[in-house]
Amino acid sequence: QVQLVQSGAEVKKPGASVKVSCKASGYTFTGHYIHWVRQAPGQGIEWMAWINTNSGSTNYAQNFQGRVTMTRDTSISTAYMEVSRLKSDDTAVYFCARLYSISSKAFDYWGQGTLVTVSS
Amino acid sequence: QSALTQPPSVSGSPGQSVTISCTGTSSDVGSYNRVSWYQQPPGTAPKLIIYEVNNRPSGVPDRFSGSKSGNTASLTISGLQAEDEADYYCSSHTSINTYVFGTGTKVTVL
Repeated sequence: QVQLVQSGAEVKKPGASVKVSCKASGYTFTGHYIHWVRQAPGQGIEWMAWINTNSGSTNYAQNFQGRVTMTRDTSISTAYMEVSRLKSDDTAVYFCARLYSISSKAFDYWGQGTLVTVSS
Repeated sequence: QSALTQPPSVSGSPGQSVTISCTGTSSDVGSYNRVSWYQQPPGTAPKLIIYEVNNRPSGVPDRFSGSKSGNTASLTISGLQAEDEADYYCSSHTSINTYVFGTGTKVTVL
């Protein structure tokens, strides 16, 4: 069965960086894009970026360009998202999600979420 | 990219129908039939319930249906059940190959 398993919760100080992983299983990793979204406490969902797991190409929301980097390691079916220069309002649960298909533009499987807390 | 606009909350009694709207622009909702809907109970990851405006993934009850007119998409839950109480989000692909989510709607079953 398809699974996306994310790394554990993180606590970081303002100005630091955090790298969250998303390990895929149960399907061909390079056959589906991986997206990242985040959800601040009590708030809505904010789309951040996608990575083409086959080519490695990426696209970022304007709000995150220059501060977020997505990478992948196809040998271990894992995608990564790194956020640098953390601020307190980056405190959120970060989710990875699999794109069902290029034509559908929908996210059919999700990771369990990783809470990143930014606090001095 | 501004979030798509959804009503903050809707409510209904068991068995009734409720509809959630999702309003965007001609650069997202209005441009493509690539609107999807997600159900998110508290403390859990979102779950896909509608894709490409009106398609249901396997296992999603047919009480959930979607539609679109112009820049506004809609999700209708017919025959509301207690287990439908959750937050619901729409999402759309955009003209610059990014994505945008709605502001979210809390569905309460009275």
